[in-house]
Amino acid sequence: EPEVTQTPSHQVTQMGQEVILRCVPISNHLYFYWYRQILGQKVEFLVSFYNNEISEKSEIFDDQFSVERPDGSNFTLKIRSTKLEDSAMYFCASSEDRVYEQYFGPGTRLTVT
Amino acid sequence: KNQVEQSPQSLIILEGKNCTLQCNYTVSPFSNLRWYKQDTGRGPVSLTIMTFSENTKSNGRYTATLDADTKQSSLHITASQLSDSASYICVPLVNAGNMLTFGGGTRLMVKP
Repeated sequence: EPEVTQTPSHQVTQMGQEVILRCVPISNHLYFYWYRQILGQKVEFLVSFYNNEISEKSEIFDDQFSVERPDGSNFTLKIRSTKLEDSAMYFCASSEDRVYEQYFGPGTRLTVT
Repeated sequence: KNQVEQSPQSLIILEGKNCTLQCNYTVSPFSNLRWYKQDTGRGPVSLTIMTFSENTKSNGRYTATLDADTKQSSLHITASQLSDSASYICVPLVNAGNMLTFGGGTRLMVKP
């Protein structure tokens, strides 16, 4: 069964450094998403991406964040200058259509020290 | 503001027993409502998706109900198994949007 994959599974970085989290969505899906979950808290929407542009973003997704689909298979989330409060689990998801089921990847645990 | 309230926050039941989890939401305009299961440290996995016109939907031992008028949903788990131990999250989708608004979830623990 097709699945969303994410790399790395765990990333440790120092405050102020740039990180890129990578995702490979399911191949025939057209909508891509990033969510984050701070330890012990609820999953929070960051951004959705369709047709090579951001279709929706939350207040969390400020200028420090950017997304890109550099080729036909990868979908990336970049954090330009990480802060301690960026430490969280970051989930990528994809769906065939806007209202269809979103399939989540296993997540990347980001630890900012 | 779109909000989701789930109850109880946590629940412990014995293996083989049934349980019902509740969700109240204020998302508007409403498109559909999903229930996800999330194991600790893993990504959420979809259990059911219900549209405005659907009152009940089953997926194996999971049965979800929806009352779009009162903005309430429930998830009933029958004959619980140890592997059901997880967080169960109610997630409504806003019409014309694709941002999922996650509830805080109910943490279920099934004990032998």
